[in-house]
Amino acid sequence: GQQLNQSPQSMFIQEGEDVSMNCTSSSIFNTWLWYKQDPGEGPVLLIALYKAGELTSNGRLTAQFGITRKDSFLNISASIPSDVGIYFCAGRRTNTNAGKSTFGDGTTLTVKP
Amino acid sequence: EPEVTQTPSHQVTQMGQEVILRCVPISNHLYFYWYRQILGQKVEFLVSFYNNEISEKSEIFDDQFSVERPDGSNFTLKIRSTKLEDSAMYFCASTSANTEAFFGQGTRLTVV
Repeated sequence: GQQLNQSPQSMFIQEGEDVSMNCTSSSIFNTWLWYKQDPGEGPVLLIALYKAGELTSNGRLTAQFGITRKDSFLNISASIPSDVGIYFCAGRRTNTNAGKSTFGDGTTLTVKP
Repeated sequence: EPEVTQTPSHQVTQMGQEVILRCVPISNHLYFYWYRQILGQKVEFLVSFYNNEISEKSEIFDDQFSVERPDGSNFTLKIRSTKLEDSAMYFCASTSANTEAFFGQGTRLTVV
């Protein structure tokens, strides 16, 4: 089946530092999504990408849809303590809102004040 | 802000028992999903549901699982005879034609 390799698995950073994480796949996806999950909560969508090469920002977050359609990255600038959580990439074969999403293994982010 | 509501938040059940997990999707949404997340692992797709039928399901979604939208608001996941390995967080999600999926807060299922 489709697999997403997400890295790094975990990150420990100082408040104010920038963060970068990425996701790669052996299969093409037509939609890339980035979610954040806080403990005991469901995933919350951060950024959705629908076009190869697309670069999209949401506040301090920036994500890109790789040209090959097999990868995506998420950057967080000037991290703050509330950025702590698990970040998941997800890929979808369709470029509509319907259809299953395949999730990566997650990147656990710890921000030290 | 509209939200997906799941009940119960935690369910403990004996192995072999049937469980029904309940979800109230956002009211004007058309596509409904169940995902599960085993503790410490990634979120895994189980099933999608559109127009009162299953549109896609994963290998995990075997004959022990079923979904239903019994009325205009609820969307349920039934596990017929639970196994220890069914212990996980189960997330319901819904989308409209114009939005990405909103996830509920999940039901933690513990099979003992």
